[in-house]
Amino acid sequence: GAGVSQSPRYKVAKRGQDVALRCDPISGHVSLFWYQQALGQGPEFLTYFQNEAQLDKSGLPSDRFFAERPEGSVSTLKIQRTQQEDSAVYLCASSVGTGTGQLLQYFGPGTRLTVT
Amino acid sequence: AQSVTQLGSHVSVSEGALVLLRCNYSSSVPPYLFWYVQYPNQGLQLLLKYTSAATLVKGINGFEAEFKKSETSFHLTKPSAHMSDAAEYFCAVRTLGGYNKLIFGAGTRLAVHP
Repeated sequence: GAGVSQSPRYKVAKRGQDVALRCDPISGHVSLFWYQQALGQGPEFLTYFQNEAQLDKSGLPSDRFFAERPEGSVSTLKIQRTQQEDSAVYLCASSVGTGTGQLLQYFGPGTRLTVT
Repeated sequence: AQSVTQLGSHVSVSEGALVLLRCNYSSSVPPYLFWYVQYPNQGLQLLLKYTSAATLVKGINGFEAEFKKSETSFHLTKPSAHMSDAAEYFCAVRTLGGYNKLIFGAGTRLAVHP
């Protein structure tokens, strides 16, 4: 499969626990996005990487959220001290480049996080 | 600021009937617009995109959308609904200012009944 993969697909965490969500983008894709999709809502932007550089983290809701992409491929979204309001589906998307002609984003299946 | 509004959180049609899902956008410059479909427990799949070329855009699975600047709309249509079209549909606009991030509408859940 050459698509975007995410793991785990489902995660249940107790309030206060830390979680780490993984995204494997399409090989060679420069751009990587994380989105948060609350129940019954559309996805909302969290953060953007161009290769290993995190160029936009304006959508991260608090300093408990942290993302990295150290080698410019796999990315991890970490949430510290999870709260119930963090319950959502976390979607990862990648695109081949950065230009207007390369704006098509390919989405992974998402990780459904439930905080109890 | 850019935004997307999808009118109708739920739409129900009969199999074989016309599908019309509404999307209005707000943008100070010509936008790039997208329609995505999401099946249960799956990620988003691109149906079609508008990038300032032809105003009538054809996508996969028989869907199409027409960009109307005067109405700031980008409604999604399909002439004849199929049971397999039942899913959630999202309209999105690319943000200004770089990085190609997307702003999504709240979504419309399409139900198709026999």
